[in-house]
Amino acid sequence: QQQVKQSPQSLIVQKGGISIINCAYENTAFDYFPWYQQFPGKGPALLIAIRPDVSEKKEGRFTISFNKSAKQFSLHIMDSQPGDSATYFCAASEAGTASKLTFGTGTRLQVTL
Amino acid sequence: DTGVSQDPRHKITKRGQNVTFRCDPISEHNRLYWYRQTLGQGPEFLTYFQNEAQLEKSRLLSDRFSAERPKGSFSTLEIQRTEQGDSAMYLCASSLFVSVIAKNIQYFGAGTRLSVL
Repeated sequence: QQQVKQSPQSLIVQKGGISIINCAYENTAFDYFPWYQQFPGKGPALLIAIRPDVSEKKEGRFTISFNKSAKQFSLHIMDSQPGDSATYFCAASEAGTASKLTFGTGTRLQVTL
Repeated sequence: DTGVSQDPRHKITKRGQNVTFRCDPISEHNRLYWYRQTLGQGPEFLTYFQNEAQLEKSRLLSDRFSAERPKGSFSTLEIQRTEQGDSAMYLCASSLFVSVIAKNIQYFGAGTRLSVL
C-alpha cells in the first residue's frame, strides 16, 4: 500500500528552468512533509520541509507548495542548475517530526546545459 | 567526519548466509532508524530506537531480521538465512529527539548495499 504517491518518475529540465515534482498522500494523520535529495552513492539529505498549517515555504531556490484539502504537495526548484541533478523524494510522517518517514518512490531529475 | 557512518558499504553474500550491518549515529543523537531501499523505490521504514529501546518495528521486518542498540550508541542489523529478496540498500538515520513539537531532523548515512546471490 503506497501512502505517498510521487510523480513524475523522471524529469529533464534545461539549466535555468523550473523543476516541479508532485506528491499526493492518503493518510490524513500525516502532519510533516519533508523533501529529501539523494545523490548517487549517498544517503538522502533533508532539503526543505513544511507543516500543514502553511500553504507555502520557500528556502532559496526551493519552494514547497501545500494543498491540505487536496492532500497534495509539490517541490518547485527555480533556476535549476546542473548541480541539482539528483533523485528527489517526498516524504511524510505523523506526529510531526517525531515519527518514522513514509517516502514517495522518487523523481530522478536531470538538469541539462 | 561527524555524520552517520555505516559499515560495510557493500556486502555480497550467498543465499542462506547470515549478515550483520553496523550503524554509528551522530554522537549526541538519541534516535536511530533503519530503512530499506530497493532500486527505483523510496526508503521503507524498518525499525527505530530511542536510546537502547526499540520503539517500533515495521511489518516488513520478518523474524529473520533483528536489530539491536545495546548501549544506546551504535546499532546492528542482522539478517539470518538471507534470501535473494533481501537484496537492497539498508539505510540508517539518526536524530536528536527533544519533544514532539521540536525539530527532529533525520540524518541519513550512505547505506550498506546488500547483494544476495
